[in-house]
Amino acid sequence: QVTLKESGPVLVKPTETLTLTCTVSGFSLSNTKMGVSWIRQPPGKALEWLARVFSNDEESYTTYLKTRLTISKDTSKSQVVLTMTDMDPLDTATYYCARTFYYGAGSHGPSNLDYWGQGALVTVSS
Amino acid sequence: DIQMTQSPSSLSASIGDSVTITCRASQTITSYLNWYQQRPGKAPNLLIYAASNLHDGVPSRFSGSGSGTHFTLTISSLRPEDFATYYCQQSFTTPLSFGQGTKVEVQ
Repeated sequence: QVTLKESGPVLVKPTETLTLTCTVSGFSLSNTKMGVSWIRQPPGKALEWLARVFSNDEESYTTYLKTRLTISKDTSKSQVVLTMTDMDPLDTATYYCARTFYYGAGSHGPSNLDYWGQGALVTVSS
Repeated sequence: DIQMTQSPSSLSASIGDSVTITCRASQTITSYLNWYQQRPGKAPNLLIYAASNLHDGVPSRFSGSGSGTHFTLTISSLRPEDFATYYCQQSFTTPLSFGQGTKVEVQ
């Protein structure tokens, strides 16, 4: 059974750094067909993809937040960590982690987000 | 970066109706298009991948089509549990990107 669970602070202050952890089970972070993405959703708004880490530690980021984001994984702990610096009230959102499954023939190429965590609401306020 | 645009932003329908949601990409994404359903207060669920392939356990009343830049999601014979928000997402290239969502509401 595949599960993902986000953990981290519920409240952060402006300018602080947010650190979120995604703990996975039911699959290995070393599987070459899989990665983990982070996605966020401000209240009442659309989904926004933030970052992805692949089995070989290859990272990808959304363009306009690239300078503020870092994604990494610890395969032995089955955890993926996202840090976001210089938090702003506009970063208030539910943050989701999701398994990124590469369904094509190779280890890259087309993918889907086939399993999601329940989400973690992060509020940025002083 | 690839921009995804959905239409309409919302629609009203009744139980048993058939509805179609459109998603357009700002450049070709071949068939690398996924659809998700999100119920209020819940995480999204994968419905369709590669434009037309149903994810495991998804009812056959959901169907997807399209290629290149134009895609559609059709829900035939709406059921109460189908009233939700639907998102398209491209996986042609990173950064991955979602459409802005289409809310299907009860008429």
